[in-house]
Amino acid sequence: KAGVTQTPRYLIKTRGQQVTLSCSPISGHRSVSWYQQTPGQGLQFLFEYFSETQRNKGNFPGRFSGRQFSNSRSEMNVSTLELGDSALYLCASRRDRDQPQHFGDGTRLSIL
Amino acid sequence: TQLLEQSPQFLSIQEGENLTVYCNSSSVFSSLQWYRQEPGEGPVLLVTVVTGGEVKKLKRLTFQFGDARKDSSLHITAAQPGDTGLYLCAGEEETSGSRLTFGEGTQLTVNP
Repeated sequence: KAGVTQTPRYLIKTRGQQVTLSCSPISGHRSVSWYQQTPGQGLQFLFEYFSETQRNKGNFPGRFSGRQFSNSRSEMNVSTLELGDSALYLCASRRDRDQPQHFGDGTRLSIL
Repeated sequence: TQLLEQSPQFLSIQEGENLTVYCNSSSVFSSLQWYRQEPGEGPVLLVTVVTGGEVKKLKRLTFQFGDARKDSSLHITAAQPGDTGLYLCAGEEETSGSRLTFGEGTQLTVNP
């Protein structure tokens, strides 16, 4: 059974640019959540999508947005990139609430 | 303010020793999960506990959920170098919907 797939694995951008990250959940999983992991802040919740609707949102600025498609694949977009956005962005999927989340290996985003 | 306090942050032990990692909060969780993360990879789910007082065993790993569902511990018996990694606890609050709140993590190094 294929796991959660995130692309690309590595990305280098400069300040002011925008970026789109992609996540393909485990087959049959309709919930996709995004997290940001940094050495100083640890893992922080960005948002969750379920059946193409944002179901929950963390405390991140509006520059961070996402969407989910009818096949449950999800994308995350960050606009006007800042140096502090350098992080590992992780995607997790699950069938629904009360089910454990399974993580992909993340996209390492570096801002120069 | 970190909702989940994990201790210790760093632990370096010799092969064969036992260890315990703690995860504490003032909040009540509907479920609590333990993950292990290795460099360059996403967190891998080890266990989910949902009932106060619950104890789960996974080979040499024993997980306990506090009676009040506010804290948890992970005990490893006879640690091996393969146990090296970042151990993360993550709680799902009853009032937070579907988001996971993570502890800062415990970086465990088991020396041969």
